[in-house]
Amino acid sequence: NAGVTQTPKFQVLKTGQSMTLQCAQDMNHEYMSWYRQDPGMGLRLIHYSVGAGITDQGEVPNGYNVSRSTTEDFPLRLLSAAPSQTSVYFCASSGPTGTSYTDTQYFGPGTRLTVL
Amino acid sequence: SQQGEEDPQALSIQEGENATMNCSYKTSINNLQWYRQNSGRGLVHLILIRSNEREKHSGRLRVTLDTSKKSSSLLITASRAADTASYFCAQTGANNLFFGTGTRLTVIP
Repeated sequence: NAGVTQTPKFQVLKTGQSMTLQCAQDMNHEYMSWYRQDPGMGLRLIHYSVGAGITDQGEVPNGYNVSRSTTEDFPLRLLSAAPSQTSVYFCASSGPTGTSYTDTQYFGPGTRLTVL
Repeated sequence: SQQGEEDPQALSIQEGENATMNCSYKTSINNLQWYRQNSGRGLVHLILIRSNEREKHSGRLRVTLDTSKKSSSLLITASRAADTASYFCAQTGANNLFFGTGTRLTVIP
C-alpha cells in the first residue's frame, strides 16, 4: 500500500491563480480531511469528508473547495490564491468502515504552497 | 477554537534522559491521540488513549489521561537522537480532531 499520497510536493502561485492539491489513499478509508499547518498555529482543519459524495467544513474553510467523487480521492481547490494561503497542506485519512472517524489518522507527506 | 495546548513549547535533553510533554484540552473527548512530526514530513500516529483509560504504554512511550483536569502527558523514556521531532496531541470532536500547537523536542547525542 502506498498509504496517503499528495501531489505536488511544492508549488508557487501568484495571487489570484487557482490550483488543485491532489490527495489519494489506497486503504479504502471512508474519512478524509485536509489541514493546513502554519508556524505557531499547529494544524487547522480546512474541510473533511466522511464518505464519497459527503463533505463538510472545518475550522478554516474560506477560500477552499473540496469534492469527494470517489473513496480514494479528495482534492482541495484554491479558487483565487492569496498570500494568506501560504502554508503547508496535509491530507489525512482514517478507517476502515466500522471504525470511528476520529481514530488513528494517516497523513500524507504534505504540499508546501507559497503564494506571491 | 477547540485547539489544545502543549507544554512546553520546546524541550532540549541529553540522549538517555526521559522527556515529558503535556497537553491540555478544552472539551470532552472520545479519545486523545499523540503524533510525531519529523522536520519537513507528515505526522505519524504514536498512540491513542480512550476517555475511559487512564494510562497506556507503547514501547518507550507512556501516555496518561486525566479527564477531570482535561489534560494528558506523553513520556518518552531513554530518549534517542532519533526522537528529535515535534510532538502534537489531538483531541476528538464530533467528526474530526483538533490538534495542539506542538512541543519541539531536541535530543542531544
